[in-house]
Amino acid sequence: QVRLVQSGAEVKKPGTSVKVSCRASGGTFRNSAISWVRQAPGQGPEWLGRFIPTIGSSNYVQKLRNRVTFDADETMTTAYLVLSRLRSEDSAVYYCARGGYFGSGSHGMAAWGQGTTVIVSS
Amino acid sequence: IVMTQTPHSLSVTPGQPASLSCTSSQSLLHSDGETYVHWYFQRAGQPPQLLISEVSNRFSGVPDRFRGSGSGTEFTLRITRVEAEDVGVYYCVQTVQLPWTFGQGTKVEMK
Repeated sequence: QVRLVQSGAEVKKPGTSVKVSCRASGGTFRNSAISWVRQAPGQGPEWLGRFIPTIGSSNYVQKLRNRVTFDADETMTTAYLVLSRLRSEDSAVYYCARGGYFGSGSHGMAAWGQGTTVIVSS
Repeated sequence: IVMTQTPHSLSVTPGQPASLSCTSSQSLLHSDGETYVHWYFQRAGQPPQLLISEVSNRFSGVPDRFRGSGSGTEFTLRITRVEAEDVGVYYCVQTVQLPWTFGQGTKVEMK
């Protein structure tokens, strides 16, 4: 079973960028969709978008479209989220999750990373 | 698509059943015949974990006391006999249309 391991916590200043990695242990992201989800303190999860490395497709939520980028390495074992022009309201726990997409199986996000805390503070 | 969950919180006696509802603002039935609603469970300080996919498919290792049902825009997660380990927040999620969206959650507590 694939296990997702994320990079460590980050403290960033407003206006800078953060890069969060998500490594698949025991498998790859081939034929999978990697979703990125964040959760602010005391709030419910918010889906930020997804990346399908097999077909090179990305989808982002409208509110972050100009500030977020998803990518993966050539081996499709590590995925990345880059969020730029950080604001205090971006402070949250960021999760990666692996699931399917139309034509590739269940959409259920069966594997989740442990979460990466990002704090944006001056 | 807006996902609305009720109730906001639920206090349950161990061993008793619980019923959680999720309503979507649009049908979650896709042209491929599948209905794309899923249920997740989250304990404090942990990532969400998949319980049920595509309305009623229990994920590997999920106890059979968890049952998903529904169609169109109305969905239900039933816990036939609540146990102490079921305390946490339950979320429904739709994946029929981008952006995927979460409900606001139902918090389950023990009486």
